[in-house]
Amino acid sequence: GAVVSQHPSWVICKSGTSVKIECRSLDFQATTMFWYRQFPKQSLMLMATSNEGSKATYEQGVEKDKFLINHASLTLSTLTVTSAHPEDSSFYICSAARDRNQPQHFGDGTRLSIL
Amino acid sequence: AQSVAQPEDQVNVAEGNPLTVKCTYSVSGNPYLFWYVQYPNRGLQFLLKYITGDNLVKGSYGFEAEFNKSQTSFHLKKPSALVSDSALYFCAVRAIDVGAGSYQLTFGKGTKLSVIP
Repeated sequence: GAVVSQHPSWVICKSGTSVKIECRSLDFQATTMFWYRQFPKQSLMLMATSNEGSKATYEQGVEKDKFLINHASLTLSTLTVTSAHPEDSSFYICSAARDRNQPQHFGDGTRLSIL
Repeated sequence: AQSVAQPEDQVNVAEGNPLTVKCTYSVSGNPYLFWYVQYPNRGLQFLLKYITGDNLVKGSYGFEAEFNKSQTSFHLKKPSALVSDSALYFCAVRAIDVGAGSYQLTFGKGTKLSVIP
């Protein structure tokens, strides 16, 4: 159990395009989902915490208008990178947790390449 | 503020030998500790966790970790390494006693484990 599906796994698009990434908890309900960004050979950087039915909480330095997060249900959160530019190219990973005492379970990540 | 230190960027070990990946942490109050493994171009896979109880925690794929409160450490171990264990390992921590809805983890920078045949 505790499977998290992230889609798409790889995106290549032109500068100025908006890209939506989906994160689904397949076999459990997640009150909270997390979005991370990972640069090559570095650790995960938390971008935002997404709670079902409420606004996401963004970490300092993360642009809310650029990285739009929607947590429409207990099994789905989406991250939209608006008007993406080459500097937004990165590996984006989502995670979900059943509750505060359970581990976060991670999706397989989305590699975003902006040309 | 909470933090995690993984002092080794890379650990090399021969197949069949025991392995240790080190982790120390800093957190206010009691810690909730995790180990995750990441294979290339994949997300993180949960290996094990410690919240309370026995200091030696057993997890997936034969891994275990030992919680040492006095040394604020949570080193990952395995008695006999496999080539397939080669991957990037992350230690993570959060305080147990946090406000409602706060699940944030702080990750270490990761340790690359290479098991040599």
